[in-house]
Amino acid sequence: DTGVSQNPRHKITKRGQNVTFRCDPISEHNRLYWYRQTLGQGPEFLTYFQNEAQLEKSRLLSDRFSAERPKGSFSTLEIQRTEQGDSAMYLCASSLVRGGGEAFFGQGTRLTVV
Amino acid sequence: AQSVAQPEDQVNVAEGNPLTVKCTYSVSGNPYLFWYVQYPNRGLQFLLKYITGDNLVKGSYGFEAEFNKSQTSFHLKKPSALVSDSALYFCAVRDEAGSSYKLIFGSGTRLLVRP
Repeated sequence: DTGVSQNPRHKITKRGQNVTFRCDPISEHNRLYWYRQTLGQGPEFLTYFQNEAQLEKSRLLSDRFSAERPKGSFSTLEIQRTEQGDSAMYLCASSLVRGGGEAFFGQGTRLTVV
Repeated sequence: AQSVAQPEDQVNVAEGNPLTVKCTYSVSGNPYLFWYVQYPNRGLQFLLKYITGDNLVKGSYGFEAEFNKSQTSFHLKKPSALVSDSALYFCAVRDEAGSSYKLIFGSGTRLLVRP
């Protein structure tokens, strides 16, 4: 399968712990996005990479959140000092710079903070 | 600011009947519009997109969408619903401010197809 891959699929953590999620985009895609989806809502944009450069961050991305995309390949999203409000589905998507702009999504990482 | 609205939280339809899931948009220029489907505990799957050209766009799994500029709508349709179409459907518009081309999603519409 050459789609977007996210790991882990599920993560349960205690409040105050740090968590890290990984996303492997479609190999030829140079754009990578992170979104957050809470129950009953549509996904909300968190951050965007073009190759290895992080070019846009949402105001939703507090200073406890950090994302990287070393070498323009896989990406990681880290949440420090997790809070119960961080419980959500974290979705990664990738797309090409050229083309119609449709993004292809991974299956997401569901985070539960207890 | 660009946005999309999905006025129906849920749509119920009998198998074999046509279905419509509504979406309206608000953009400052020409819209790039998308439909995605989400099955339980899964990511989003791309169904179709409108960039330019024909107002009727055909996509995956027999779905199509009609772009209507005067009504600022982009409704998702299927001539004959299947029980397996039951899922959460999201309309999205591409954000043309900046270079990210991020998607702005509606709140979603749950489609329930009864046998």
